[in-house]
Amino acid sequence: KNQVEQSPQSLIILEGKNCTLQCNYTVSPFSNLRWYKQDTGRGPVSLTIMTFSENTKSNGRYTATLDADTKQSSLHITASQLSDSASYICVVSAQGQAGTALIFGKGTTLSVSS
Amino acid sequence: NAGVMQNPRHLVRRRGQEARLRCSPMKGHSHVYWYRQLPEEGLKFMVYLQKENIIDESGMPKERFSAEFPKEGPSILRIQQVVRGDSAAYFCASSPLGPDTGELFFGEGSRLTVL
Repeated sequence: KNQVEQSPQSLIILEGKNCTLQCNYTVSPFSNLRWYKQDTGRGPVSLTIMTFSENTKSNGRYTATLDADTKQSSLHITASQLSDSASYICVVSAQGQAGTALIFGKGTTLSVSS
Repeated sequence: NAGVMQNPRHLVRRRGQEARLRCSPMKGHSHVYWYRQLPEEGLKFMVYLQKENIIDESGMPKERFSAEFPKEGPSILRIQQVVRGDSAAYFCASSPLGPDTGELFFGEGSRLTVL
């Protein structure tokens, strides 16, 4: 069964600190892995998308890694800001499965406090 | 280039009424997806459409729910005879390519409250 598990479920950090969010998946056949940021009451916004051959990808203070062998990904946030408070969603895409091709994790809720 | 537009942003209905949610995809995008999100839950796939065709509706309840994406105009998610359990945020996304390769762009969602 295709699944995406994220940890931790929630996280509280102080402004300026770094943090790492985890995503483990069992999706086959794998196509790509995406990280989204969802602010409260808003739609998800794409941060990164990585294919099988990509190990790391950065978008400003966000750096995503992918280990296709162990089927794990992480999202590292550097020098956190209050505006980073949001839910971070890992989404894994399976090849050729139409609408159910995208498998969503439940997200990690990050709270950045001053 | 405007993003994915959803309306209404908030909708209140009484049990038994109908709810219609609209989604205008980004310009040039012919693939549209609808997702439902309950509080503290992840996004759940409902239906995937590509201009005038339903490609995959495996996530949509068999009764009361329907979706369309006409040649002209927005995609519409229709919920008939709403019940309290239909209260949720409904997100629409669009992409220029299919779901396994194309990047998805989400709207801000429509929040349905059933009294």
